Amino acid sequence: AQSVTQLGSHVSVSEGALVLLRCNYSSSVPPYLFWYVQYPNQGLQLLLKYTSAATLVKGINGFEAEFKKSETSFHLTKPSAHMSDAAEYFCAVSGGNQGGKLIFGQGTELSVKP
Amino acid sequence: NAGVTQTPKFQVLKTGQSMTLQCAQDMNHNSMYWYRQDPGMGLRLIYYSASEGTTDKGEVPNGYNVSRLNKREFSLRLESAAPSQTSVYFCASREPTGPHNTIYFGEGSWLTVV
Repeated sequence: AQSVTQLGSHVSVSEGALVLLRCNYSSSVPPYLFWYVQYPNQGLQLLLKYTSAATLVKGINGFEAEFKKSETSFHLTKPSAHMSDAAEYFCAVSGGNQGGKLIFGQGTELSVKP
Repeated sequence: NAGVTQTPKFQVLKTGQSMTLQCAQDMNHNSMYWYRQDPGMGLRLIYYSASEGTTDKGEVPNGYNVSRLNKREFSLRLESAAPSQTSVYFCASREPTGPHNTIYFGEGSWLTVV
């Protein structure tokens, strides 16, 4: 079965610093990978997704992620954090024997300090 | 274009009471999902429906039932609520044609069982 693991339930960065949120996946077939963001008391919004077209994926709000098959990773980065980036971020995987189901990691809460 | 709409947004139930969470999407999507979100556990799939007239269990189906009333609507029913069902519930729908497509989420329903 497919799964994702997000390393670190909470990450804190200073405004202007690099944001790095880690996600590792487990899949016996090429996966489809997603990053979603959740702002307080709201639903989830798609940041970006990997569908095998390109290993470096650019998303909204300046975020990007790189698919590394050799490391089974799909880490999310942003060069310079902004206060408005404070939210919870979820990595998710679908495909293979999971069909259309989307399986989520535990989430990483990002705090941005002024 | 409203996307995915859930009702109610907030609900308090007593143990043993029943209730139905309603969900509707106006994007003509075939697949619909119900997830629950609990702190530190990410989102877990309760039930999903690949198309009108079909439903299937997810990771945590016990204590819930679902109905795919038509292509637009997918309801989640708690027959006898328990405190362990206190959670935030999200309905979602997916673009057609494959597991690489985006899942869109509603705003969430906050349920407290006392």
